[in-house]
Amino acid sequence: DTEVTQTPKHLVMGMTNKKSLKCEQHMGHRAMYWYKQKAKKPPELMFVYSYEKLSINESVPSRFSPECPNSSLLNLHLHALQPEDSALYLCASSLPGQPDGYTFGSGTRLTVV
Amino acid sequence: DAKTTQPNSMESNEEEPVHLPCNHSTISGTDYIHWYRQLPSQGPEYVIHGLTSNVNNRMASLAIAEDRKSSTLILHRATLRDAAVYYCILNYGGSQGNLIFGKGTKLSVKP
Repeated sequence: DTEVTQTPKHLVMGMTNKKSLKCEQHMGHRAMYWYKQKAKKPPELMFVYSYEKLSINESVPSRFSPECPNSSLLNLHLHALQPEDSALYLCASSLPGQPDGYTFGSGTRLTVV
Repeated sequence: DAKTTQPNSMESNEEEPVHLPCNHSTISGTDYIHWYRQLPSQGPEYVIHGLTSNVNNRMASLAIAEDRKSSTLILHRATLRDAAVYYCILNYGGSQGNLIFGKGTKLSVKP
């Protein structure tokens, strides 16, 4: 299995809702990442997990809460989002410290209404 | 982090070679040069990487200038499926490396 699977593919949520994005990989990668991508912009790094521990939080607002329950799963919990948080959320995985081996999922297209 | 500069957009004809440039004048001796591309409606995918020597793989070639201040991604025969945004990324060669994307070059391929 050489894929990163993200669910759901599309999500519409209200500003008072709580939702979660899910990411799964079975490549034995021990580093997992969340990126945010606005339209016509490059992906922006949000969080890095290494060996299931949060190692980087790029000053992301607390309404985004990551979780790595095991080495294959990465979640992003969303609460009280704003319309400007609407974006494509990309998950990636790699061997730790191996920038040539990132595998990205196809992303979750999030719309906040 | 060292910066990269790429043209915003480029056009190519199908089945012709494409040379995508990247300037990185502040590159350090331990920075690897990585190229990723993002096809429409997909996540980025790895293309190629190198440190000092030119590199070839099944997708592309990477030509690195002798002073390492610039590099060129070469697609030998562009196809319509190569239309994508191509990102040139510098990354510290070590355990601290994380991919930080710049603006990239949007490549259009005409039939």
